Amino acid sequence: ILNVEQSPQSLHVQEGDSTNFTCSFPSSNFYALHWYRWETAKSPEALFVMTLNGDEKKKGRISATLNTKEGYSYLYIKGSQPEDSATYLCVRTNAGNMLTFGGGTRLMVKP
Amino acid sequence: GAVVSQHPSRVICKSGTSVKIECRSLDFQATTMFWYRQFPKQSLMLMATSNEGSKATYEQGVEKDKFLINHASLTLSTLTVTSAHPEDSSFYICSALYDLGYEQYFGPGTRLTVT
Repeated sequence: ILNVEQSPQSLHVQEGDSTNFTCSFPSSNFYALHWYRWETAKSPEALFVMTLNGDEKKKGRISATLNTKEGYSYLYIKGSQPEDSATYLCVRTNAGNMLTFGGGTRLMVKP
Repeated sequence: GAVVSQHPSRVICKSGTSVKIECRSLDFQATTMFWYRQFPKQSLMLMATSNEGSKATYEQGVEKDKFLINHASLTLSTLTVTSAHPEDSSFYICSALYDLGYEQYFGPGTRLTVT
């Protein structure tokens, strides 16, 4: 994998559904993986930063895992709410603090 | 899917010079684009909202005379960093609104280094 890839690109779920997204990234020269929640016309909100293989982070109904050996991270949202609607962005940082952005997953939660 | 490009991807310039960064929506029209910057080890911060045919709206603390934004067409917004200084060195990223504003797509970013 040469780039940071996120899937799916967009997702529509019903309120109350649980959902998850994937971020795939180059595993070489890895330093950190960031997840952001990005609402339109707002600065992205940092959700998690993970650096170690096996890291798991949780914030309310949102959690994330990291596998640096195989180069992927999952973001989970339990019991989606309309206010969870946003773009969820993953960003990989290498040891030289160079950033590579994923394409984002656009989540729409229907009431 | 919708694609947003930025040019250049990297630029190094001398202190005191000006640098222009272009943001283009390649396969859709975007009446609104956004410009963000990220300092090392910090989160992305919204700088300004660029509206086609009108003046940009700047966030508090962002100097409009230093960061000139021009949204001359429905597919192009430009950010010009005027009289750049080393502290302007940062990662600049743009995004464009698509589909009645419900979805946002962003460019790959431009890394500016001012020496």
